[in-house]
Amino acid sequence: GIQVEQSPPDLILQEGANSTLRCNFSDSVNNLQWFHQNPWGQLINLFYIPSGTKQNGRLSATTVATERYSLLYISSSQTTDSGVYFCAVSSNDYKLSFGAGTTVTVRA
Amino acid sequence: GAGVSQTPSNKVTEKGKYVELRCDPISGHTALYWYRQSLGQGPEFLIYFQGTGAADDSGLPNDRFFAVRPEGSVSTLKIQRTERGDSAVYLCASSLTGELFFGEGSRLTVL
Repeated sequence: GIQVEQSPPDLILQEGANSTLRCNFSDSVNNLQWFHQNPWGQLINLFYIPSGTKQNGRLSATTVATERYSLLYISSSQTTDSGVYFCAVSSNDYKLSFGAGTTVTVRA
Repeated sequence: GAGVSQTPSNKVTEKGKYVELRCDPISGHTALYWYRQSLGQGPEFLIYFQGTGAADDSGLPNDRFFAVRPEGSVSTLKIQRTERGDSAVYLCASSLTGELFFGEGSRLTVL
């Protein structure tokens, strides 16, 4: 299956700081999603982005499919941004392979 | 419904018992998925339904695990003779056009 590597594994931010999370994958994909898992375990959809760039408020994402990576940008971080961020990819539209996640802690 | 609904949210059982976990997908979503998440790890694929049939069950760990979706909507994940290693959060997701939406999960603890 497709290998997914996320970096960094852990990230500690001061409120208001900006950050970049990276996702590398080992094969061509036709589905890539970013999720935020909140402290209660819910996986919240952030972006469905197999290619290109999208923005949603303080968050944006870019996927360069030909180079097999995606980036998630968090600007002006808030304490509510804390949690685990997962990148998940698929080459067949349904069998998502998840990375190990990046644990983000935002301190007030 | 507005989102994917899973019941129960928590289930504690004893080793060797039978367990059923239920998933009600987003209305109109034809595809349904089960994933399993162990502590500190990302979710792992178990099974995928397109309509009523299991299109891919390659992630089921062994024959103690079985899932059904008889009417193409609600799905039930069934685990026989539970083992302590089955303890995890079982996540259900649904989709219409490729983007998956997850429920809040069912946390299973096998004592």
